[in-house]
Amino acid sequence: DGGITQSPKYLFRKEGQNVTLSCEQNLNHDAMYWYRQDPGQGLRLIYYSQIVNDFQKGDIAEGYSVSREKKESFPLTVTSAQKNPTAFYLCASSLKGSGGTEAFFGQGTRLTVV
Amino acid sequence: AQSVTQLDSHVSVSEGTPVLLRCNYSSSYSPSLFWYVQHPNKGLQLLLKYTSAATLVKGINGFEAEFKKSETSFHLTKPSAHMSDAAEYFCVVTRDSNYQLIWGAGTKLIIKP
Repeated sequence: DGGITQSPKYLFRKEGQNVTLSCEQNLNHDAMYWYRQDPGQGLRLIYYSQIVNDFQKGDIAEGYSVSREKKESFPLTVTSAQKNPTAFYLCASSLKGSGGTEAFFGQGTRLTVV
Repeated sequence: AQSVTQLDSHVSVSEGTPVLLRCNYSSSYSPSLFWYVQHPNKGLQLLLKYTSAATLVKGINGFEAEFKKSETSFHLTKPSAHMSDAAEYFCVVTRDSNYQLIWGAGTKLIIKP
């Protein structure tokens, strides 16, 4: 079945550690996105990529990094510089970066700093 | 600048009664608009989208929304609520002329038996 797979579903991080969240899609989509979701807020865009080997910062990129070495993969690293990383992280993809295009979402990764 | 306002953080209805989730947007051009649904600890699923075709848009699970340019609204409705509709709903607008999405804060829909 085609879709987006995020792993792990739950992740615990000690303060000062970097952690990497995985996102893989087999939809042959060009564009991929990472969002952060906090309670009572809408999704906020962290990074997005329209093509392999290229990505742009979203609204809250500080403390995060990404790579796009393959079309199907867009991992997100939460670095120790991110001061408040506990959140629900959602990865999405769309066929191409145009305004009316539907985004498909993974099931999310809940990151908790312990 | 584009923005989205979901007018209610929580909506509670009885099973079998109509649902109305309100969304107002601001945009300097003709936007694309979406409603997404999120069940607890799950990813998001597209309910419906408006992309400058028919102003009344029908989606999945019996939901529909009407684009009203004069009121800058895109309210989500359903004639009869079902227990499985309990979830959080997000209204989304495209940002300017690119593909970035601007998200409302969400409305939690509570269904009373």
